[in-house]
Amino acid sequence: GAVVSQHPSRVICKSGTSVKIECRSLDFQATTMFWYRQFPKKSLMLMATSNEGSKATYEQGVEKDKFLINHASLTLSTLTVTSAHPEDSSFYICSAPTGRTKNIQYFGAGTRLSVL
Amino acid sequence: GEDVEQSLFLSVREGDSSVINCTYTDSSSTYLYWYKQEPGAGLQLLTYIFSNMDMKQDQRLTVLLNKKDKHLSLRIADTQTGDSAIYFCAETDGNTPLVFGKGTRLSVIA
Repeated sequence: GAVVSQHPSRVICKSGTSVKIECRSLDFQATTMFWYRQFPKKSLMLMATSNEGSKATYEQGVEKDKFLINHASLTLSTLTVTSAHPEDSSFYICSAPTGRTKNIQYFGAGTRLSVL
Repeated sequence: GEDVEQSLFLSVREGDSSVINCTYTDSSSTYLYWYKQEPGAGLQLLTYIFSNMDMKQDQRLTVLLNKKDKHLSLRIADTQTGDSAIYFCAETDGNTPLVFGKGTRLSVIA
């Protein structure tokens, strides 16, 4: 299947710092990518839809200024957690749709963020 | 909003078949998926089925779809210890993001 690469896989940072997570589609172009957050032993919560060349669409309750999304090219979307706090500690996963009807979503390996 | 329900736990013996069930409420679901998540990892797409199909088989995996009852199942034949993971059911009507179930934790006993 298609490959979505996500980096870094693990980040430990101090409270107040900003962390950038990258999501790349390696063998296909993705005008849209999705960012999810997963709490321990829970399902995935959609945070936002990243749109190449335009603003991201955020889900209700997700702070736009807290979670900055940039989709500057057809193969790269970034999520920046600004001024991270311990409550932002979580597992963040991106996905990109592909296939003829763009309904086959492939996921990155996820990023474990721990804010001290 | 739309909802996807799964049982939370399933335990089977190595070599037996596993059946993971999922129900959904969206009558316009067009695409239904099964993803596997191992500890600390992202989601791996296992298989998917379109709403105009009743069954899809891929090696040890068999997906059954009962559209009338809005019921989806994943059968894993000859379950191995490496199949231990969380399995997520997901659906979309093709125009909205995926809606995921809470995941079924499959434990395989040697």
